[in-house]
Amino acid sequence: AQSVTQPDIHITVSEGASLELRCNYSYGATPYLFWYVQSPGQGLQLLLKYFSGDTLVQGIKGFEAEFKRSQSSFNLRKPSVHWSDAAEYFCAVGVTAGNKLTFGGGTRVLVKP
Amino acid sequence: GAGVSQSPSNKVTEKGKDVELRCDPISGHTALYWYRQSLGQGLEFLIYFQGNSAPDKSGLPSDRFSAERTGGSVSTLTIQRTQQEDSAVYLCASSRSRTSTEAFFGQGTRLTVV
Repeated sequence: AQSVTQPDIHITVSEGASLELRCNYSYGATPYLFWYVQSPGQGLQLLLKYFSGDTLVQGIKGFEAEFKRSQSSFNLRKPSVHWSDAAEYFCAVGVTAGNKLTFGGGTRVLVKP
Repeated sequence: GAGVSQSPSNKVTEKGKDVELRCDPISGHTALYWYRQSLGQGLEFLIYFQGNSAPDKSGLPSDRFSAERTGGSVSTLTIQRTQQEDSAVYLCASSRSRTSTEAFFGQGTRLTVV
């Protein structure tokens, strides 16, 4: 069965600084990979996804992620964070194109002014 | 509607009572998913409906949990004889089809069992 690990439970970053969130997955083949964001009291919003092709994918809100097969990783990055990026971020893996997903434990991001 | 709608947004129930949680997916979306988000277990898949096919119930934690989807639209998740460990946020999501690459999530129902 597939699994997802997000090693960092909390990250604090200054506004304007860069952000990188780590995600490692375990699956025998190339999975479908997703990053979601959850703001307080809100549902999950899809930031970006990877299925195949270019390993660097662009998403909404200025986020990007890079798939590295050799490291089984799909790390999320943003060059310059805004206070509105404070939220919880979830990495997820699916084994089909559908949305029956296995989620990581999440990383909570705090943005300092 | 414009998005996935879930009701109620909050539910407090006594241990041993039954509860029903409702999900109204985006119009035209044929796939519907239920997930549970709890402090101890994170985000877990519960059940998946696709059109008229038999639902994928592989994530339901016990036989106290069941779900229906009537007319291919609204879904109800029922928890019988609630236990304190059922306390969680129950999230519903829908997508255009089984092969769609994006699911749209509702804001969830926060269930508290006292």
